Amino acid sequence: GAVVSQHPSWVICKSGTSVKIECRSLDFQATTMFWYRQFPKQSLMLMATSNEGSKATYEQGVEKDKFLINHASLTLSTLTVTSAHPEDSSFYICSARDSRGAFFGQGTRLTVV
Amino acid sequence: GIQVEQSPPDLILQEGANSTLRCNFSDSVNNLQWFHQNPWGQLINLFYIPSGTKQNGRLSATTVATERYSLLYISSSQTTDSGVYFCAVDEKLTFGTGTRLTIIP
Repeated sequence: GAVVSQHPSWVICKSGTSVKIECRSLDFQATTMFWYRQFPKQSLMLMATSNEGSKATYEQGVEKDKFLINHASLTLSTLTVTSAHPEDSSFYICSARDSRGAFFGQGTRLTVV
Repeated sequence: GIQVEQSPPDLILQEGANSTLRCNFSDSVNNLQWFHQNPWGQLINLFYIPSGTKQNGRLSATTVATERYSLLYISSSQTTDSGVYFCAVDEKLTFGTGTRLTIIP
């Protein structure tokens, strides 16, 4: 149990376009999901906490208008990178939690050209 | 915020060797987890261990909460153990700096 599916695994987009990343908990319900960003050879940095049915809570320094998060149901959260620029290229990972701990999606490698 | 430091930053070992990875944190925590990130980026949950000792096969972990550190032990290393090991603390999972482990055949 505790499978988290993230889609797509990788995406290449043109500068100025928007990209949507989906995170689904397949076999459990998650009232809270978390979105992280990881640059090459660095640790994971929390971007925002996504709560089902309410607005996301963003970490300091993360632009909420650029990184739109929607948590429409207990099993789905989405992250939309709007007007993407090359500096947004990174590895984005979602996490869903229950009483057993945190479980992560496989990540999405975003490259903006 | 809480600071989480891991050591060593890099570790290269021969297959079959044992290793100890350390995680130090700057404040008391209610939650501590160890993860393995494989070369494809997937994070695997190894242990949820805010205190005490746990074992799972060749891996074991100990957290001494009063002294603000946790240790991950890997015995009889295999090449598939290669990757980056992270500890993460608290509800928001503040991640440590990571230890990159490379196991040589």
